[in-house]
Amino acid sequence: GAVVSQHPSRVICKSGTSVKIECRSLDFQATTMFWYRQFPKQSLMLMATSNEGSKATYEQGVEKDKFLINHASLTLSTLTVTSAHPEDSSFYICSAGTDYTDTQYFGPGTRLTVL
Amino acid sequence: AQSVSQHNHHVILSEAASLELGCNYSYGGTVNLFWYVQYPGQHLQLLLKYFSGDPLVKGIKGFEAEFIKSKFSFNLRKPSVQWSDTAEYFCAVIAGGSYIPTFGRGTSLIVHP
Repeated sequence: GAVVSQHPSRVICKSGTSVKIECRSLDFQATTMFWYRQFPKQSLMLMATSNEGSKATYEQGVEKDKFLINHASLTLSTLTVTSAHPEDSSFYICSAGTDYTDTQYFGPGTRLTVL
Repeated sequence: AQSVSQHNHHVILSEAASLELGCNYSYGGTVNLFWYVQYPGQHLQLLLKYFSGDPLVKGIKGFEAEFIKSKFSFNLRKPSVQWSDTAEYFCAVIAGGSYIPTFGRGTSLIVHP
C-alpha cells in the first residue's frame, strides 16, 4: 500500500528559530499533498494544499510567510515553520494522494514543541 | 462552504456492543465520502470510502457505512465492537469539483473489555 513518511517525528525548538518538516511519499508519486494541523482531541485543520512545481494554496487564516511550503518533486513536500513561537506548538500531519478525489494517505505526524 | 458534522464526540461501549457513528455533510452535489481511523499513537488510515454505486460500503475490520443521499449522511457501523477498535474516527468529504477534503471533528471511541 501507499506509504507516506514524515521527518522528524518530534522536534523541540527555541522560540524564534525555524523548523523544517519533510513529507515523503515512499512508493508513489503525489501530485498533491496536504498539510494539516491537529489540536488535541480535535479534528484536522487544513493549512494548505501543496502542488508539485507550483505555489501552495493556503487556507484562510494561515500565514503563508510563517508556514513556508515547498513541493519540489512528486515525492517530497516540506513545511517550514519560520520564527516559531509557543503557540505554534502542535501536531502537524501531511497527506498525499495520487488523484484529487482519491484516498489520502497520511503521514505519521510531527509533534512540534516550541519552548 | 461545505461542512461535516460528527454528532457523537465521545462514545463508550462494552465489547460486543453494536456501534453507529453519525456523519452528516452540508454539500448538495456529488460527494466522495471517507471514514478514517486513528488508533492511539498511530497515524490516520482509511477505513472505507464511497465514490459511487452501492450505497452500503464495506471496509476493513468489519466496518461498514451507508450513504443516504436524502439525509446527507454517511454513518459508520459495526455490529460487534472489540477492545482493539478503541480509536478516533474521522469522517471526511470531498465535494464534487473540489479536491480538498473536509474533515469532521472526530469521534473518540473507547471500548471496554
